Amino acid sequence: GAVVSQHPSRVICKSGTSVKIECRSLDFQATTMFWYRQFPKQSLMLMATSNEGSKATYEQGVEKDKFLINHASLTLSTLTVTSAHPEDSSFYICSARVRGKDYEQYFGPGTRLTVT
Amino acid sequence: GQQLNQSPQSMFIQEGEDVSMNCTSSSIFNTWLWYKQDPGEGPVLLIALYKAGELTSNGRLTAQFGITRKDSFLNISASIPSDVGIYFCAGQLNFGNEKLTFGTGTRLTIIP
Repeated sequence: GAVVSQHPSRVICKSGTSVKIECRSLDFQATTMFWYRQFPKQSLMLMATSNEGSKATYEQGVEKDKFLINHASLTLSTLTVTSAHPEDSSFYICSARVRGKDYEQYFGPGTRLTVT
Repeated sequence: GQQLNQSPQSMFIQEGEDVSMNCTSSSIFNTWLWYKQDPGEGPVLLIALYKAGELTSNGRLTAQFGITRKDSFLNISASIPSDVGIYFCAGQLNFGNEKLTFGTGTRLTIIP
């Protein structure tokens, strides 16, 4: 139980284009999903908190117009990197909080984004 | 953003050895979580701690929630090759929609 999937697992795009990453909770409902970014050999840094049916809350320093988050249902959240640049290349990981178990977060397998 | 300090930063051990790592914070947390991350994968939850002083085991793993609520420890007994990876602690201030603050990570390598 508590499986989170992400799609795609890897994506390469050209500078200036937009990329959408999906995060799904497969066997549970997630009231809240989180998006993290992880650079090589570094820890996870929270980008934004996404609640179903409401606007995402972004961490300080994260551009909300560049990283668009949509949490349309209790099992799906999407992150769109708009007008991507090489410095946006990173490992993007989502997590989902199990509804009714607010202290447990389960992570997706991550999406490796490379912007050329 | 804020990060928790983990030590050691990296460990090189032989198979069968026991491992100890810790995580410290300048702030109090009410929940501590330990995760393991393999290369190119997302973190996997190992142990969750909800009460100061709590000692919890999961197989060969044992974790403790520090009595001051500012630290936590993870021990791995009789290490095996699949224990290789990066271990992260994470603190949560309150129940509910509170975000996690992650530690800096401890990279575990097993020497053949």
